Amino acid sequence: GENVEQHPSTLSVQEGDSAVIKCTYSDSASNYFPWYKQELGKRPQLIIDIRSNVGEKKDQRIAVTLNKTAKHFSLHITETQPEDSAVYFCAEGGGADGLTFGKGTHLIIQP
Amino acid sequence: NAGVTQTPKFQVLKTGQSMTLQCAQDMNHEYMSWYRQDPGMGLRLIHYSVGAGITDQGEVPNGYNVSRSTTEDFPLRLLSAAPSQTSVYFCATALFGRVSTEAFFGQGTRLTVV
Repeated sequence: GENVEQHPSTLSVQEGDSAVIKCTYSDSASNYFPWYKQELGKRPQLIIDIRSNVGEKKDQRIAVTLNKTAKHFSLHITETQPEDSAVYFCAEGGGADGLTFGKGTHLIIQP
Repeated sequence: NAGVTQTPKFQVLKTGQSMTLQCAQDMNHEYMSWYRQDPGMGLRLIHYSVGAGITDQGEVPNGYNVSRSTTEDFPLRLLSAAPSQTSVYFCATALFGRVSTEAFFGQGTRLTVV
């Protein structure tokens, strides 16, 4: 993997609204795009992932979309809840050198 | 089934001291790696291994050494600690050498170098 750009660095939304986090990557060979959630003081944990042969994947309130041509992928969280507050990391991989992570997005859910 | 276990959880070192961060996994994963996490910098890859006897450098390898003599263990050695190495360190493993499956993280080691 090479560079992964993640935006925004901080996102504040009202409870119940949707949140979208976007990432772009540069390595054309990337074929695996996971998203991790990290709560304060805890380890990162996988919440959803997508492979390059799929354009969209959904799991209840979270979804990920992938545009391989444009080299970007996005995380969508609908009907946000207080427990969604955390730092979210996108990553790209598929090569033997492991995952390359974005710098993270601090998601704040306002009551 | 403990998963990925890191020790210690916290450590304070003086500049110039050496130490080893331990990572052990019982999931029979081929791939093991070390990341450091600094505020605003995300997770940066230090070293990784695709199997016993094989190691390679990541994005930020300077000042660190690794070895992989068994499938289960992947220790990270700080040769001469510097304040710039103050960070949270995570060990992560994956089933295959080519990481196209979920990576599992240890609970982290918070290291402070004074």
